[in-house]
Amino acid sequence: DAGITQSPRHKVTETGTPVTLRCHQTENHRYMYWYRQDPGHGLRLIHYSYGVKDTDKGEVSDGYSVSRSKTEDFLLTLESATSSQTSVYFCAISERSGGIGTEAFFGQGTRLTVV
Amino acid sequence: SQQGEEDPQALSIQEGENATMNCSYKTSINNLQWYRQNSGRGLVHLILIRSNEREKHSGRLRVTLDTSKKSSSLLITASRAADTASYFCATDAPNSGYALNFGKGTSLLVTP
Repeated sequence: DAGITQSPRHKVTETGTPVTLRCHQTENHRYMYWYRQDPGHGLRLIHYSYGVKDTDKGEVSDGYSVSRSKTEDFLLTLESATSSQTSVYFCAISERSGGIGTEAFFGQGTRLTVV
Repeated sequence: SQQGEEDPQALSIQEGENATMNCSYKTSINNLQWYRQNSGRGLVHLILIRSNEREKHSGRLRVTLDTSKKSSSLLITASRAADTASYFCATDAPNSGYALNFGKGTSLLVTP
């Protein structure tokens, strides 16, 4: 298995509190992604990173921020959690060859419940 | 927006039968990938097909790509109960930065 770890694996938090999810990789991959998965919506891209301190927004970025200060860590922060952010969050890593993406490796997911 | 759209949303077959899932996408792509997700787990990469390829095989998997129709299909031959999972297509597009966009998935149930 690719060396990618998400923490925590489960979290229950209250509405209005900030929450940070961590993705840690040992593969030295340049590209890292945060997705959320909800029934009926599949995987939706929140933010992604294409290098240290280089990030961009995905399809559903409102209410989320990210940071990548080291190659191995990509943090996702819910600035003020809302019930609509209850979801399963997945981190993924990948590389590019000749400018074209290669296969992505996924973490095991973080189940976040906002009450 | 989500680039890929799988069809059907759900598929139920018996062991030994073939399963076919389709994926349609909206814009030009560099490549298209298929992933499997077992319940409660992360996604696992199955196969990648580049935009200049038309067909690719990996074990019991066969993927086709028709860029003129902006569509791909995943065929699983001689299905097994262990193939029960959700299957997603994902596209790497030249005009989407470095994003990898997924569809909503097809839920496959293989009964003994």
